[in-house]
Amino acid sequence: DAKTTQPPSMDCAEGRAANLPCNHSTISGNEYVYWYRQIHSQGPQYIIHGLKNNETNEMASLIITEDRKSSTLILPHATLRDTAVYYCIVRAKAAGNKLTFGGGTRVLVKP
Amino acid sequence: NAGVTQTPKFQVLKTGQSMTLQCAQDMNHEYMSWYRQDPGMGLRLIHYSVGAGITDQGEVPNGYNVSRSTTEDFPLRLLSAAPSQTSVYFCASNARDRTPYEQYFGPGTRLTVT
Repeated sequence: DAKTTQPPSMDCAEGRAANLPCNHSTISGNEYVYWYRQIHSQGPQYIIHGLKNNETNEMASLIITEDRKSSTLILPHATLRDTAVYYCIVRAKAAGNKLTFGGGTRVLVKP
Repeated sequence: NAGVTQTPKFQVLKTGQSMTLQCAQDMNHEYMSWYRQDPGMGLRLIHYSVGAGITDQGEVPNGYNVSRSTTEDFPLRLLSAAPSQTSVYFCASNARDRTPYEQYFGPGTRLTVT
């Protein structure tokens, strides 16, 4: 698995966009970037994933740099309910159902 | 759909006791996994299964057994509980025919071993 590096914590103002960076400089060509989040005391929740192209769904947008060595998860209009730990995970599709969670970024959305 | 369900929600054990954490999913997912999460830490994979009758070890399998007799159920057995097994346990499932890491997690079982 490619190692990922995320800032340990960040604050965001309610209603503003939250941009969460992730470095994965050793990513291989067949590895996807996945984002999960874990709201306090709950199980992790899948957010989004991507390979090369930018992706958007109802929860967030994922921007992957052209060299794929880093990515940014964007929460367009952060709400208090978005306060959580966000995990960036890099893994090959063929590697089975094993996820490796690192430390993640603890995001605090403030009113 | 109930999704992924886990029982019990809370459990206190004495050192040396055994117990089974239950996990069930109603989404007909082939893949199921067990993770543990210690305070302030990320999740670590204990055991996983890619289908009924097939299981394999994850990152921290010692002290735990699993079996997968049906698609729906994936119980985790603690053989002889130790204080080091105090943790929150999460079960997850995902479909084989989709991108495998869109995993669905249960609400967790909070286990304390005294």
